[in-house]
Amino acid sequence: GQNIDQPTEMTATEGAIVQINCTYQTSGFNGLFWYQQHAGEAPTFLSYNVLDGLEEKGRFSSFLSRSKGYSYLLLKELQMKDSASYLCAPANDYKLSFGAGTTVTVRA
Amino acid sequence: GAVVSQHPSRVICKSGTSVKIECRSLDFQATTMFWYRQFPKQSLMLMATSNEGSKATYEQGVEKDKFLINHASLTLSTLTVTSAHPEDSSFYICSARDLVSGGAEDTQYFGPGTRLTVL
Repeated sequence: GQNIDQPTEMTATEGAIVQINCTYQTSGFNGLFWYQQHAGEAPTFLSYNVLDGLEEKGRFSSFLSRSKGYSYLLLKELQMKDSASYLCAPANDYKLSFGAGTTVTVRA
Repeated sequence: GAVVSQHPSRVICKSGTSVKIECRSLDFQATTMFWYRQFPKQSLMLMATSNEGSKATYEQGVEKDKFLINHASLTLSTLTVTSAHPEDSSFYICSARDLVSGGAEDTQYFGPGTRLTVL
């Protein structure tokens, strides 16, 4: 099975940077996904890491360390629309497991 | 990114009836689709893996006779909730794996979800 641990909630101000950490324990692993989910909506793909290191995509970056079972999602220049739940999802044979997610609240 | 659609977006039905939910990949072929369920304020739970041309693989605890999955083409998978009961009320979401990208760019895209309410 999969154990996924990420903070429940984080609050930051507009324009700031927030880092969401995720640790996982998996029986198999072939990559880690990050998704954004607004309330009542389906998840939206943000990033996919299969190799160690940092992947940068505009304001969002994701880091992976397979040996440590650790990933983080970095959100820069926060905007109000970034208020959402962020889901860390390790993949095993391309099946995703989701933790409870981190609810990020961006304040003016 | 790739587009995945679901239909219907919302459905309300009476207890004991069956409901069919469609999941389509609009601009790519998906040999593998996944069905998830999400209860309020809970994480997404994988229900089953749908493979084109073969039987679906169900996760532990998911009744295959209650949740019928058909993946008849490379762009369509259907989930039928049979003899629905109020406890089946949930947000059902499908995802499709984009195999064209493959490798390091392998990605799963989610449909917009279907909110099922069983009275």
